[in-house]
Amino acid sequence: QVQLQESGPGLVKPSETLSLTCTISGDSISSYYWNWIRQPAGKRLEWIGRIYTSGSTNYNPSLKSRLVMSVDTSKNQFSLKLTSVTAADTAVYYCARGDSSAWYEDWFDPWGQGTLVTVSS
Amino acid sequence: SSELTQDPAVSVALGQTVRITCQGDSLRSYYATWYQQKPGQAPVLVIYGKNNRPSGIPDRFSGSSSGNTASLTITGAQAEDEADYYCNSRDSSGSYWVFGGGTKLTVL
Repeated sequence: QVQLQESGPGLVKPSETLSLTCTISGDSISSYYWNWIRQPAGKRLEWIGRIYTSGSTNYNPSLKSRLVMSVDTSKNQFSLKLTSVTAADTAVYYCARGDSSAWYEDWFDPWGQGTLVTVSS
Repeated sequence: SSELTQDPAVSVALGQTVRITCQGDSLRSYYATWYQQKPGQAPVLVIYGKNNRPSGIPDRFSGSSSGNTASLTITGAQAEDEADYYCNSRDSSGSYWVFGGGTKLTVL
């Protein structure tokens, strides 16, 4: 059974770069899209972006200018870097596998347990 | 429009049926996906596509869609179904994904 685990610093200073890694176990990273999704406390989920194992990416337009995602197939990992963070980037960050059966239907499953990242000096 | 709109809160008596709705222009083109989130936990996929349940999701959960509205129905709600439910789909351009604001389900 595939499992995802986020890792990275829980505290980041304003204007610095938030870096997270998601490690996949129980299955190969190949042939899926891998997503980052975040949730500020008490707020809705926000899709951040996704990366395919080829390295192809899609980003949320609202974050695109600050976002870089990468994949390391040898380690079964993918990563997120978000630059110039502010308090508005404080959230629980989840990684999730993306799957699809047709252009009009896709889903995220499974999800990692999530990691809280706080932006504060 | 990239917005998905959900009622903030819904309640249902134990054993009764409840429908949670999600509205958005993109739902005319894309199926909604539904996630259940309990406090302190990651979201869990409950319905995807036209009306598909992942393995392990009880058959009391079902999905439907009409026009710009998608619905999640729980037939015979149980105490363990008390949670936040989020709908999700691509935005109208198809280039990124959006979530609804979530519906807090209370089972009385």
